[in-house]
Amino acid sequence: DTAVSQTPKYLVTQMGNDKSIKCEQNLGHDTMYWYKQDSKKFLKIMFSYNNKELIINETVPNRFSPKSPDKAHLNLHINSLELGDSAVYFCASSQREVDTQYFGPGTRLTVL
Amino acid sequence: QKEVEQDPGPLSVPEGAIVSLNCTYSNSAFQYFMWYRQYSRKGPELLMYTYSSGNKEDGRFTAQVDKSSKYISLFIRDSQPSDSATYLCAMPRGLSGGYNKLIFGAGTRLAVHP
Repeated sequence: DTAVSQTPKYLVTQMGNDKSIKCEQNLGHDTMYWYKQDSKKFLKIMFSYNNKELIINETVPNRFSPKSPDKAHLNLHINSLELGDSAVYFCASSQREVDTQYFGPGTRLTVL
Repeated sequence: QKEVEQDPGPLSVPEGAIVSLNCTYSNSAFQYFMWYRQYSRKGPELLMYTYSSGNKEDGRFTAQVDKSSKYISLFIRDSQPSDSATYLCAMPRGLSGGYNKLIFGAGTRLAVHP
């Protein structure tokens, strides 16, 4: 019955590698998001998709590329990982942009 | 200056205490004000939201908005150890095209000890 799920939960990798994080929501929502939460717990939006269309693209390095194959899925691919990419990445979804956002459990990324 | 400011704490209180958590903001266009609760190693979950100024109560929780001061508060009465979490305030900022994005405060870490 998981509403918003993410895989993997933990990701440990070396600098320079490429990795992907997957997100799926079974709530029938139209809008999905990726957030980054740094070590100080500051939560900042990275991307937002509405019905598979990119609507928010914050000043994120272009090494980060979101992909939405359908409105229930939003994946995040990261190229050439850097130490500063270490953080917890949260996926979220909402029915519309102003509605309550439901967050996934997070993916803890550690870049060595 | 960040759009939303929140003291990160930590805040440690004894069980049964009244807790006051606060945020200030700079954008007078904000209309909706939300409080999310995040337990350790979990995603944030919406606790309460209010529209414009005034108070809203839900059980032991009261959200208060003072738009004239650009100040919002969350009060927790009879705090319990299960309230120990990080509390984040959030406000949607309007974007072109009718979309919004949530601006979060830094979160205040609360510990309620028995």
